[in-house]
Amino acid sequence: QKEVEQDPGPLSVPEGAIVSLNCTYSNSAFQYFMWYRQYSRKGPELLMYTYSSGNKEDGRFTAQVDKSSKYISLFIRDSQPSDSATYLCAMSLSQGNLIFGKGTKLSVKP
Amino acid sequence: DSGVTQTPKHLITATGQRVTLRCSPRSGDLSVYWYQQSLDQGLQFLIQYYNGEERAKGNILERFSAQQFPDLHSELNLSSLELGDSALYFCASSVDSYTQYFGPGTRLTVL
Repeated sequence: QKEVEQDPGPLSVPEGAIVSLNCTYSNSAFQYFMWYRQYSRKGPELLMYTYSSGNKEDGRFTAQVDKSSKYISLFIRDSQPSDSATYLCAMSLSQGNLIFGKGTKLSVKP
Repeated sequence: DSGVTQTPKHLITATGQRVTLRCSPRSGDLSVYWYQQSLDQGLQFLIQYYNGEERAKGNILERFSAQQFPDLHSELNLSSLELGDSALYFCASSVDSYTQYFGPGTRLTVL
């Protein structure tokens, strides 16, 4: 079993839809949970990070962590064509190197 | 723009050769991380340096090595290159170890 599992998609939604992206993980010692967005041929861009369990909101983005289920989610409200990208979840222990999911490719159609 | 710079953007080389990838972290960031991204493996952590010292190692091959210089820029050296080393190589920097900011990457093609 891989440490971090993420459905690769692709996921295609109409503009304005609510998007739900998810990852599961196996290592209960993970403490920090991140979401990155990566446009084609670009470097990953940090969207949000959360420490331990709970929710965090930033504009149209909401990150949720459920440590009891080893499950994290990213919700995108009022999705826009500019949100079309690959979304990567990442996790770390306290020392910092990140373990990434393989990414979910999202396409938002106008 | 993350503030992390990487050179070169593209590298095309032959099997058996050696290349050097360069990274300049964001101003004030002491930690530099190197990652490899391939289609089948995704983003894989290679190595971390903190203020010139090696801090953590991931799945880095013995043919690969890195260092961080006093001005905090870092170099990743890849030697005896094989076809399977073709990938995107990213550098990231951070001040607090979990909010890592990635550079634009170097695309390495080994022919």
